[in-house]
This record gives sequence, C-alpha cells and structure tokens, in this order.
Amino acid sequence: EVQLVESGGGLVQPGQSLRLSCTASGFTFGEYTMSWFRQAPGKGLEWVGLIRSKAYGMTTEYAASVEGRFTISRDDSRNMAYLQMNSLKIEDTAVYYCIRLYDYWGQGILVTVSS
Amino acid sequence: DIVMTQTPLSSPVTLGQPASISCRSSQSLVHSDGNTYLSWLQQRPGLPPRLLIYKISNRFSGVPDRFSGSGAGTDFTLKISRVEAEDVGVYYCMQATQFPYTFGQGTKLEIK
Repeated sequence: EVQLVESGGGLVQPGQSLRLSCTASGFTFGEYTMSWFRQAPGKGLEWVGLIRSKAYGMTTEYAASVEGRFTISRDDSRNMAYLQMNSLKIEDTAVYYCIRLYDYWGQGILVTVSS
Repeated sequence: DIVMTQTPLSSPVTLGQPASISCRSSQSLVHSDGNTYLSWLQQRPGLPPRLLIYKISNRFSGVPDRFSGSGAGTDFTLKISRVEAEDVGVYYCMQATQFPYTFGQGTKLEIK
C-alpha cells in the first residue's frame, strides 16, 4: 500500500524557515517524481513544485510564487522528499501535501506563518 | 499560465441522479508526447484530495465506475452516473501538461 506521510509543519513567524519532510512507503520511491502542493485555508489547490527521479537527473520545477524561496530535495536511500521553505510569508499559510506524481496524496501538514 | 475554468461552481444533486462538471482550459492540454494530462480530483470534507481520473478518461485504482471522464483539447467533463451520499465534496480538474500545473476553482457537489 502506497503511503505518504508529511511532517515538520507548525507555526513560524514571517521571514523564518521551515523544512517539511515526506516519508514514503509501499513503492519503489526512487523511480517516481515527487511533488508538493498546498491549500490555503478555505481555498483551492496550488501546485508548489516537483523533483524528478534520479533517472531524470533529480531536476526540479517550481511555481513562480515560491521560486527562489523554496527548495525541493530527495533522499532515495531513506525514501524521503523534503520541502525547504525560506523567507516565509503570511500568504504561505496552508496545508502542504506530498504527492507521488500524479496519483497518491499524503494527508497533509499545516504550516502557519503569523506574527 | 494555463487557466482552468470549471462550471458549475456549485451543484446540488438528488441522490441517484447524474451529475456533470465541465472544465475548460485556456489552451490545448495536448502535450508534445501526445498525451493530455488532465486529471480530476475529489476532496471530501476534512480529507485530502484523491485522484479519480487521469489523462482525461482513465479511472484510478479503486474509483467506482459511476465516475467517468471525457473530452479533448480544451474541453473536458466529469460525469457521475448516479450520485451517492459519499460523493459529497469538492471536485477539481487539474492540468499537468505545462508548468505551472494549475487547477480549476473547484465544484462543490452537495445533495439536495
């Protein structure tokens, strides 16, 4: 059974950093592109970015709203994906989801940016 | 960016009756590899989204066959043949043909 579990969320002040982790199981992690999406409270879904598998160079893509502030990485030996979020803004407040592109979603983790 | 427009935004439906949601993209979703990366997701209240349909019309594992997808190019439709109580939630179309991936605004399905 494919499982994706996010961790590392919480409350931070504007300008601070936070790193989310995604622990994967139930599939050969290294073969898949992994992605992060988010959903602000009461709002729709927004794609954040993705990281391709090693076979595709572990290259990354980002939404313009997070480019230069967020970094996605992966550790295939640990079946984990990461979202490093720097210079956080109030508008980054959202539930963040880890996705095995394009099918399985994690349960999500709340990130709140507030002073 | 590709803009995805869903209609209606709200859909009250009687149990056992069909429902249909439309999604229109601002440009063709046909990828250079020949595939059309248009998906439909369901988000039940308080739960994460889950994939229903991928590449226009392919039902994901475990999705009931009352859900079907169709369309081509810029116009797509999700149909539920007979709505059940568990279908209540918000439905999103999503394109993954071009970066950035984008979503429709969501259609709230509720029971009359």
